[in-house]
Amino acid sequence: QVQLVESGGGVVQPGRSLRLSCVASGFTFSRYGMHWVRQAPGKGLEWVAIISYDGSKKYYVDSVTGRFTISRDNSKNTLYLQINSLRGEDTAVYYCAKDGPQQLKLSWYFDLWGRGTLVTVSS
Amino acid sequence: DIQMTQSPSSLSASVGARVTITCRSSQTIKNYLNWYQKKPGAAPKLLIYGASSLQSGVSSRFAGSGSGTDFTLTISSLHSEDLATYYCQQSYDIPLTFGGGTRVEMK
Repeated sequence: QVQLVESGGGVVQPGRSLRLSCVASGFTFSRYGMHWVRQAPGKGLEWVAIISYDGSKKYYVDSVTGRFTISRDNSKNTLYLQINSLRGEDTAVYYCAKDGPQQLKLSWYFDLWGRGTLVTVSS
Repeated sequence: DIQMTQSPSSLSASVGARVTITCRSSQTIKNYLNWYQKKPGAAPKLLIYGASSLQSGVSSRFAGSGSGTDFTLTISSLHSEDLATYYCQQSYDIPLTFGGGTRVEMK
């Protein structure tokens, strides 16, 4: 079954760190770029970061640059998002998403999404 | 950053009605425009990519059009299962950006 399953969310105090994971199945994970996208409560979707199929290219939205790190382990079919120095505005559902259908290249859109994991930043 | 503006922000329509959602970009994005459907508690779903290409498995009720800065998503005949929020997204430049969403409700 083709799917993405996120985990690692929870309630975290401001300033602390968290690592989100996303396990992929049903497709050749190592041949596709992957993204993180988030949705704050009552808000729209916000793209967070992308990583190329081999991890050699990474791009971030400005608001998370320096605090978030996207990475992947192709041997485990797993995508990660390390979040440091958490802020209240990081409270959101975090989705992992597969990049489009081109293998070994980036399409810059999302053709498969997980159901998300909720991160709540609160003291 | 490229700003994406959707209109309307919400709409109410009857089953069987034709629904049109528009998306405008702050600069030309050629045809690098994609549409998603988001239902509460569910994963977003890709509907249209490249402004007008229907994603595999998506109902032909959905159609996309436009190029440059102005784009449209049309639902030819609204079904009850189409109740959702719809988002456009530009894939022309990073940061990738979404429109604010259009919530479709049943009249």
